[in-house]
Amino acid sequence: LAKTTQPISMDSYEGQEVNITCSHNNIATNDYITWYQQFPSQGPRFIIQGYKTKVTNEVASLFIPADRKSSTLSLPRVSLSDTAVYYCLVGVRDSSYKLIFGSGTRLLVRP
Amino acid sequence: DTAVSQTPKYLVTQMGNDKSIKCEQNLGHDTMYWYKQDSKKFLKIMFSYNNKELIINETVPNRFSPKSPDKAHLNLHINSLELGDSAVYFCASSRIAGGVYNEQFFGPGTRLTVL
Repeated sequence: LAKTTQPISMDSYEGQEVNITCSHNNIATNDYITWYQQFPSQGPRFIIQGYKTKVTNEVASLFIPADRKSSTLSLPRVSLSDTAVYYCLVGVRDSSYKLIFGSGTRLLVRP
Repeated sequence: DTAVSQTPKYLVTQMGNDKSIKCEQNLGHDTMYWYKQDSKKFLKIMFSYNNKELIINETVPNRFSPKSPDKAHLNLHINSLELGDSAVYFCASSRIAGGVYNEQFFGPGTRLTVL
């Protein structure tokens, strides 16, 4: 059964680095891994996307091991405004192709 | 200009009614989606259209019927509403290039409450 798993919640303090991992055992061969951020009462917002190894943009890094069965979103030096729910999204293939969001990780950044 | 817009933002209705949610994107994308987010915040894809053609059709009740009159619009019609349909419904759009689902842009959501 295709499954995408994330920790339910994480706590951090301002200025720290936060790493959120998503496991996706059945990721489809050609599919990318995408991470989204969601604030209350808003739609998810794109953070970063990658296929393998490491991707970095102005807000985050994404680490993907060679087997691509997991990925880690890294947020450097978080601030209070990074408090949100973070979701990974992958295409998986079991009996058919599916786009599956992880269950979401609620990040709380404390002062 | 709003990139992905949905109407209405809130929808309160009685069980058994039929309702529609509209979605429009002005990004020139070729692919649009409908997602359902339940009270536990799980996001599940319901449908996806690429160039007006249905490409993802998850296991949702037949009471849900998407309609894409053109590439910029994807509407969701729900017949015989049930209590369990209460959720936030998000529309999204993206490009598909080389089989890759690129960055999706989400609308603000429609909160549906069935009484």
